[in-house]
Amino acid sequence: GQNIDQPTEMTATEGAIVQINCTYQTSGFNGLFWYQQHAGEAPTFLSYNVLDGLEEKGRFSSFLSRSKGYSYLLLKELQMKDSASYLCAVRDQNYGGSQGNLIFGKGTKLSVKP
Amino acid sequence: KAGVTQTPRYLIKTRGQQVTLSCSPISGHRSVSWYQQTPGQGLQFLFEYFSETQRNKGNFPGRFSGRQFSNSRSEMNVSTLELGDSALYLCASSPPLSSGANVLTFGAGSRLTVL
Repeated sequence: GQNIDQPTEMTATEGAIVQINCTYQTSGFNGLFWYQQHAGEAPTFLSYNVLDGLEEKGRFSSFLSRSKGYSYLLLKELQMKDSASYLCAVRDQNYGGSQGNLIFGKGTKLSVKP
Repeated sequence: KAGVTQTPRYLIKTRGQQVTLSCSPISGHRSVSWYQQTPGQGLQFLFEYFSETQRNKGNFPGRFSGRQFSNSRSEMNVSTLELGDSALYLCASSPPLSSGANVLTFGAGSRLTVL
């Protein structure tokens, strides 16, 4: 079956580094996404990995290992505004150009404390 | 550039009623996807439309339906509402594959409460 696992909640301190892990088991693989969602708001795109390795974008980095079905999102120099849910999602198919079907994990709620 | 617009933002219905939600994608985006978000299940894919055709469908009962118009705007409909349909319904649009981008941009959602 299709399954994406990530921790339910995490707590970290302002200025610190936090790593949010995601493991997936899907019938196919055509890219992994990380989204950030503040309470009551739309999910916003953070990063995309389709090849193994690290993608860095400012304070945020995302890593992918396709052989292990594993990804992580690394947040550096944490700020209070980083308190949000972080969603890991996999696109498992690309039938006929379809790109809208993502399988999401249930999200990791990150609380950043002073 | 305007984002993805969903209306209404909040609505309350009673069991047995039906509801229609609307989504206007980003200009130039022809693919529109719908998701249901609940605390217990997270985001679950409902369906995707492209050029007025349903291109992909998730594992939801037939009470959930959708359509897309020639201007790429999309609507989804839920008939015979049940208490379990209470959720945040999110719409997302994505640019043409030819643009090289694969990113879904989400709207703020329509929060449905069924009493």
